[in-house]
Amino acid sequence: DGGITQSPKYLFRKEGQNVTLSCEQNLNHDAMYWYRQDPGQGLRLIYYSQIVNDFQKGDIAEGYSVSREKKESFPLTVTSAQKNPTAFYLCASSSPGWETINSNQPQHFGDGTRLSIL
Amino acid sequence: AQKITQTQPGMFVQEKEAVTLDCTYDTSDQSYGLFWYKQPSSGEMIFLIYQGSYDEQNATEGRYSLNFQKARKSANLVISASQLGDSAMYFCAMRESGTASKLTFGTGTRLQVTL
Repeated sequence: DGGITQSPKYLFRKEGQNVTLSCEQNLNHDAMYWYRQDPGQGLRLIYYSQIVNDFQKGDIAEGYSVSREKKESFPLTVTSAQKNPTAFYLCASSSPGWETINSNQPQHFGDGTRLSIL
Repeated sequence: AQKITQTQPGMFVQEKEAVTLDCTYDTSDQSYGLFWYKQPSSGEMIFLIYQGSYDEQNATEGRYSLNFQKARKSANLVISASQLGDSAMYFCAMRESGTASKLTFGTGTRLQVTL
């Protein structure tokens, strides 16, 4: 079955440590996204990538970094510069044509990673 | 100003009844898209329904329908014949023409279906 796989499901970070969240998709989607969800809030966009080797900052990119070396993979690194990393992180992808404003194609989401500080 | 406003933090509905979850949005674009997602306690986001700004008919998908009132900038989700499995968080989201890759989400409504 096609889908988006995020790992690990739970992750703990020590002070001053960088951690990397994995996101892999086999949907053959060009675009991939990372969102952060805090309690009582909706999702906020961290980074997105529309093609391999290219990515753009979202609304809350500070303290995060990404890479897009392969179409299937879009890992997110939470750096030590992110002072409040505890949150639920969701990865998403979208099919070609998504960028067309009248496209009804949704973003597809993974199951998420819960990150906490030790 | 909030782009997407969901004013109901929590809602209760009895099984088999219909329920309406409110969503208002703010945009100056003429062309935009509105989405509803369901998030169960397990965390994944499940796409439910889409409404384009130029769609003349209200969108429907099975038990889900969207009450789209463009002049009022509202896109309320209606769930008919509620089931226990409908208990979840529900998010309204918007895609605007100037930011075609980005979805802006509301804060969500927690729906609890009771017996």
